[in-house]
Amino acid sequence: NAGVTQTPKFQVLKTGQSMTLQCAQDMNHEYMSWYRQDPGMGLRLIHYSVGAGITDQGEVPNGYNVSRSTTEDFPLRLLSAAPSQTSVYFCASSSQGDEQFFGPGTRLTVL
Amino acid sequence: EDQVTQSPEALRLQEGESSSLNCSYTVSGLRGLFWYRQDPGKGPEFLFTLYSAGEEKEKERLKATLTKKESFLHITAPKPEDSATYLCAVQARNYGQNFVFGPGTRLSVLP
Repeated sequence: NAGVTQTPKFQVLKTGQSMTLQCAQDMNHEYMSWYRQDPGMGLRLIHYSVGAGITDQGEVPNGYNVSRSTTEDFPLRLLSAAPSQTSVYFCASSSQGDEQFFGPGTRLTVL
Repeated sequence: EDQVTQSPEALRLQEGESSSLNCSYTVSGLRGLFWYRQDPGKGPEFLFTLYSAGEEKEKERLKATLTKKESFLHITAPKPEDSATYLCAVQARNYGQNFVFGPGTRLSVLP
């Protein structure tokens, strides 16, 4: 099993550009989440999904969209990138909604 | 508002020097408290889940304990490979997938 995979590993955007961060898991987990991690702060939840077709907002959802059309994939879309979205983004999945498996992260810089 | 704080922010130990990391939390109805280990440039890796006060879990040189207001991660006779950032997270009963993470404790174990 590959576990949780994320692409790209690194990305540089200009203010106003849009992009999609990809996340996939091969463990047949129902629960998937997106977090951002900033220096000195804990991981903060952006959006999550409890199954295909079901998504909900976390603590910091503004500026991000998600969809969950399959159990395996949970892409995160940045609609119009801003410097405040410079961060490391982690995707996670869970089978029971508790213990989470994290991907390797995407380091995003917005100029 | 649910909150998680961790102390100390950073800790340097000599190899073999035992110590404890603290995670203090405020949550309206704890469903679970989680410990993760994060190596530089990687995603967090699950260590333990604790569900009720008095519960303890062990794994190699690590032991996690839980009270009604805090959790401790005890490290016995640490080795350099235990160097990492240790994250604590809480899950409230009413908030489903809305995990709240602490900022972490950065542990360095010197040979």
